[in-house]
Amino acid sequence: DVKVTQSSRYLVKRTGEKVFLECVQDMDHEKMFWYRQDPGLGLRLIYFSYDVKMKEKGDIPEGYSVSREKKERFSLILESASTNQTSMYLCASSFISPQGGGYEQYFGPGTRLTVT
Amino acid sequence: AQSVTQLDSHVSVSEGTPVLLRCNYSSSYSPSLFWYVQHPNKGLQLLLKYTSAATLVKGINGFEAEFKKSETSFHLTKPSAHMSDAAEYFCVVSVATNAGKSTFGDGTTLTVKP
Repeated sequence: DVKVTQSSRYLVKRTGEKVFLECVQDMDHEKMFWYRQDPGLGLRLIYFSYDVKMKEKGDIPEGYSVSREKKERFSLILESASTNQTSMYLCASSFISPQGGGYEQYFGPGTRLTVT
Repeated sequence: AQSVTQLDSHVSVSEGTPVLLRCNYSSSYSPSLFWYVQHPNKGLQLLLKYTSAATLVKGINGFEAEFKKSETSFHLTKPSAHMSDAAEYFCVVSVATNAGKSTFGDGTTLTVKP
């Protein structure tokens, strides 16, 4: 079974702190994603990576950066945390479905971040 | 371009009765379609997927969905709801040409009454 793990389930940080959220997958997937999930707003894509050291902005990249130095690990960085970044953060990895077509994603359990 | 519309934000059923969660999509290319389930404070789990093979797709926990190209729909059904089905459900579309990005619906919260 594919396993995607996230470094923390719950995290509390202060405004202005630098925050690292780590995600690791064990299936050699090329693509990895970071989403945030907020009530009434659904899942929104922050950044994704299609290979080591490659990244692309998603729909809401402001205030975030990412790092992918190894294929299995994708980090989300909040350079200076703010209260409006309080949210559930979900990591996912994906491959091309064997039958062709789009990409099936596997999700981690999520990190609920609170910034005070 | 691709988009997904989940037609109901909330659905409430009684235990033992059928479940229908509706999803319409639009896509310029042949899509792959997915349903995910999310229980409170958990990540998303894949329920089932359509990837241009059989149009009636069976998934885990007794769920199934039918891809109807003429109606651009991919509705999720289950013959008999169980209390453990209470969760949020997401319909997702993706195409190979979109660099692996998926488009998520806004989600449908399913409540199951005893």
